[in-house]
Amino acid sequence: GAGVSQSPRYKVAKRGQDVALRCDPISGHVSLFWYQQALGQGPEFLTYFQNEAQLDKSGLPSDRFFAERPEGSVSTLKIQRTQQEDSAVYLCASSPHEMGPEAFFGQGTRLTVV
Amino acid sequence: AQSVTQPDIHITVSEGASLELRCNYSYGATPYLFWYVQSPGQGLQLLLKYFSGDTLVQGIKGFEAEFKRSQSSFNLRKPSVHWSDAAEYFCAASQGNLIFGKGTKLSVKP
Repeated sequence: GAGVSQSPRYKVAKRGQDVALRCDPISGHVSLFWYQQALGQGPEFLTYFQNEAQLDKSGLPSDRFFAERPEGSVSTLKIQRTQQEDSAVYLCASSPHEMGPEAFFGQGTRLTVV
Repeated sequence: AQSVTQPDIHITVSEGASLELRCNYSYGATPYLFWYVQSPGQGLQLLLKYFSGDTLVQGIKGFEAEFKRSQSSFNLRKPSVHWSDAAEYFCAASQGNLIFGKGTKLSVKP
């Protein structure tokens, strides 16, 4: 497609369940970013990939969060043993440039942990 | 630490009135600057960006923003607001990763 695609759009998980969120970036884009947006807040950086290499994961809140981009295109953000504070919208963005600066965002996945 | 501040959490303007949303940044050197808009349940749409050059930048939907180095500001403006402009607006800066402000919610009165 023409834009960044994320799936699923909505996910409800029971506390303790593992979830996987998918991001299909714009074809050919080098950079891929994941952000977490809590209700009423601005997006917070989680992690950055340049092609298949994860160059920055400083924003991942705990070791329950894991991201991969094995072939340098599609990326998956995995959250293990979900907790209520993980409830948020997870945004993916891609950019044709290294480290951005201009990024194109997907519509996000809204995760609700009950 | 690098940061972006949007001082106004919520602004209400009348339809047809002018609008200015404030944004200040704190960086060692001038970063790239952006304004995004987010409607309920939607992703972030880029309104405009500043990389260098002319300090007044034009964006989509009739928005413009002015970069003022002396004030470390990048305020968003629109001369006449439409009801469809009601949304959340985010200022962001980048020297690599995008850092966002907390957002300003815009409400438009008929």
